[in-house]
Amino acid sequence: DQQVKQNSPSLSVQEGRISILNCDYTNSMFDYFLWYKKYPAEGPTFLISISSIKDKNEDGRFTVFLNKSAKHLSLHIVPSQPGDSAVYFCAASENTGNQFYFGTGTSLTVIP
Amino acid sequence: KAGVTQTPRYLIKTRGQQVTLSCSPISGHRSVSWYQQTPGQGLQFLFEYFSETQRNKGNFPGRFSGRQFSNSRSEMNVSTLELGDSALYLCASTPGGSVSGANVLTFGAGSRLTVL
Repeated sequence: DQQVKQNSPSLSVQEGRISILNCDYTNSMFDYFLWYKKYPAEGPTFLISISSIKDKNEDGRFTVFLNKSAKHLSLHIVPSQPGDSAVYFCAASENTGNQFYFGTGTSLTVIP
Repeated sequence: KAGVTQTPRYLIKTRGQQVTLSCSPISGHRSVSWYQQTPGQGLQFLFEYFSETQRNKGNFPGRFSGRQFSNSRSEMNVSTLELGDSALYLCASTPGGSVSGANVLTFGAGSRLTVL
């Protein structure tokens, strides 16, 4: 049973435009959320996090929004750059240690 | 500071064999987690070790096991390999502790296992 879902397997965006990646979850006990980026043949690298006490967190070009009532979060990348082309995973956890539930990923392609 | 190191990076086994994968966490990190990545399934949590004790376990059969040593290095073992075990196995470390919200997983590059 997939508790974290990324319903868009792929997304293409023009360079300079906004990329919006979406993630839905079913477990209302999740209180900490992470976004990771993964290039082929490499491990995922951490991008940005948000805890359930916030509804927005920004880090440079990356902003994560959390809508707890809708059990939905999104990652905005502005402006998108060709180097952002990668697979993006969202992950969620409860306050019970380091067990994270990951989505299936969204492959982002930024077209120059 | 060195990152998370996983060995071997690639390996090929045949059905019925067993395999052992190794993970050296970031120096000072006491928690090591293992994940399996397969196409279409994302990353599936296998288990987490903290201070040589298994703290959390995912929904995998008993053929998947692990351990952690006193220096925080971890190994995972898969016995009686099946074709469906072909995957990228990722190890991640965090400083540890019991509170989420402060722990970001730092991943290694993974061990790519192919079962023939």
